[in-house]
Amino acid sequence: NAGVMQNPRHLVRRRGQEARLRCSPMKGHSHVYWYRQLPEEGLKFMVYLQKENIIDESGMPKERFSAEFPKEGPSILRIQQVVRGDSAAYFCASSWEQGYGYTFGSGTRLTVV
Amino acid sequence: GEDVEQSLFLSVREGDSSVINCTYTDSSSTYLYWYKQEPGAGLQLLTYIFSNMDMKQDQRLTVLLNKKDKHLSLRIADTQTGDSAIYFCAELMNFNKFYFGSGTKLNVKP
Repeated sequence: NAGVMQNPRHLVRRRGQEARLRCSPMKGHSHVYWYRQLPEEGLKFMVYLQKENIIDESGMPKERFSAEFPKEGPSILRIQQVVRGDSAAYFCASSWEQGYGYTFGSGTRLTVV
Repeated sequence: GEDVEQSLFLSVREGDSSVINCTYTDSSSTYLYWYKQEPGAGLQLLTYIFSNMDMKQDQRLTVLLNKKDKHLSLRIADTQTGDSAIYFCAELMNFNKFYFGSGTKLNVKP
């Protein structure tokens, strides 16, 4: 079992470009969660998804950010028109049932130049 | 459930015990967790405690929970240089989202 896989590990984007972060949950897990960690801070919840559904997006910025978890394939966190303040580590977690077996990936470190 | 607070830094000598403290505000959280993060790495689950427990011990790790004061601590016995990292406490709310503290940076001096 490969665990929660995130790619890329590191992503550099120029201001105004789009960033797409991918997360493949653990085998058998159908719940996915995205968190953002700004420098020198703890992780902040962004969004919780099940297959094809957004369950809780209370932590998502209202503009430029979107997330999906399609029936087939990984979950995608998409950031449009990136700004320097989007530079952070983005972590994905998955669980087999709501809150059970919660496992974090190694993160994608986004740098906006 | 959004206010989880930790002291920022702790420095100990190798072989001593480390105690990392955390306070939280939401008494309805069901589980409280400790995670370890090394530089540039992801989160490693260390241990967790159910909210109706007072203490949990796992090898060198001891977790104490004072639910009345909403205070959680992590004690690391015989601290080693490999324990140097950032330690996060977190509460799991509604079984679907974590609220994390800002992390305590543990420095272990040889």
